[in-house]
Amino acid sequence: SDELTQPPSVSVSPGQSASITCSGDALPKQYAYWYQQKPGQAPFLVISRDNERPSGIPERFSGSTSGTTVTLTISGVQAEDEADYYCQSADSTGAFVIFGGGTKLTVL
Amino acid sequence: EVQLVESGGGLVKPGGSLRLSCAVSGFTFSGTTMNWVRQAPGRGLEWVASISRSGSHIFYADSIKGRFTISRDNAKHSLYLQLNSLRAEDTAVYYCASDLIAVAVTYWGQGTPVTVSS
Repeated sequence: SDELTQPPSVSVSPGQSASITCSGDALPKQYAYWYQQKPGQAPFLVISRDNERPSGIPERFSGSTSGTTVTLTISGVQAEDEADYYCQSADSTGAFVIFGGGTKLTVL
Repeated sequence: EVQLVESGGGLVKPGGSLRLSCAVSGFTFSGTTMNWVRQAPGRGLEWVASISRSGSHIFYADSIKGRFTISRDNAKHSLYLQLNSLRAEDTAVYYCASDLIAVAVTYWGQGTPVTVSS
């Protein structure tokens, strides 16, 4: 089945880089999206179509892809980046939306 | 300014029903596939249903198939989700979202909470 797998948690010190991976068999065929979600808030798009940064998103957020894995990288992590991050894509048919389980980013 | 405003959530007993609404403005609603996504307390995001621009293509997650119905009214720029035969595990914040597949930008509402409890 088409699933997206993320690590449950990632920890990083301020100023360092954080990488969050998302793996799934459909990813070579479907675009990936990354959302940031802070407590009590709706998901917020930070990366679109694998590696595009929507307007207003800081340059420290970037996306990359390699085979069945996509990666969100946050360079020079700031305290305000502490949040849950979700990858999202579509299944192999392109009809169904799928989400990864989410990764809690902790800024030490 | 893009706005998606959900309404209709609340407390309902197991087996009960609710109808959620999402009022959309700021983009061409009739030209966009729409989705419902939910998030149970302390859990991740779960896609629930999608409906194509004209309403001719509808898809559901297996977890809610046969109990929930997605619909839209393009004249009213509104999206709906009818929730029937509700269970405790349907307790979640329900988000209305624009097309989430192969698009440059996605839009989300702030969510409406649904609590299923006796």
